[in-house]
Amino acid sequence: KQEVTQIPAALSVPEGENLVLNCSFTDSAIYNLQWFRQDPGKGLTSLLLIQSSQREQTSGRLNASLDKSSGRSTLYIAASQPGDSATYLCAVAYTGFNKFYFGSGTKLNVKP
Amino acid sequence: GAGVSQTPSNKVTEKGKYVELRCDPISGHTALYWYRQSLGQGPEFLIYFQGTGAADDSGLPNDRFFAVRPEGSVSTLKIQRTERGDSAVYLCASSKTRNTEAFFGQGTRLTVV
Repeated sequence: KQEVTQIPAALSVPEGENLVLNCSFTDSAIYNLQWFRQDPGKGLTSLLLIQSSQREQTSGRLNASLDKSSGRSTLYIAASQPGDSATYLCAVAYTGFNKFYFGSGTKLNVKP
Repeated sequence: GAGVSQTPSNKVTEKGKYVELRCDPISGHTALYWYRQSLGQGPEFLIYFQGTGAADDSGLPNDRFFAVRPEGSVSTLKIQRTERGDSAVYLCASSKTRNTEAFFGQGTRLTVV
């Protein structure tokens, strides 16, 4: 069974800290992995997409890595800001499947 | 618009009623997905369309749920005889092709009273 786990479920940090969010998955036959941000009461905003052939992707202060052999992805946020406060979700697309499998998310609070 | 549009944004209905939720994907995206999200959980897959056909409906919870995409663009998720347990946020996403970068709408919050 394809499972996606995100730890921790919640994280609170002071402004300016660098932080890492974790995503683990149970099947190494992934097609790609996507990180999303979700603000309260809103839809999902795509942050980064990593193809199975890639090791990392960067966008501004965000860097996502992928290690298929260990079944892990991390989202690194540099110099966190209060505006980064949101729930971060990772979603895995597996080869041969027609859907994304989501973790339950990490709720991030960046304190001013 | 440039993004995925979902209407209505909120829907309150009585138990037993029929509801329709609409999704307008990004123009040119052939893949369309419906997901359902409960409070504090990640989205759960319902159905995937490639073009006009439902290529994978394995996530639909029972036969009260049905979705169509007759012209390969707009999709409608239909729920018959709604139950309180159907209350959730229903999210629609589209992508250029299967399992490429997905873009989500703002969701429809369905409340069954």
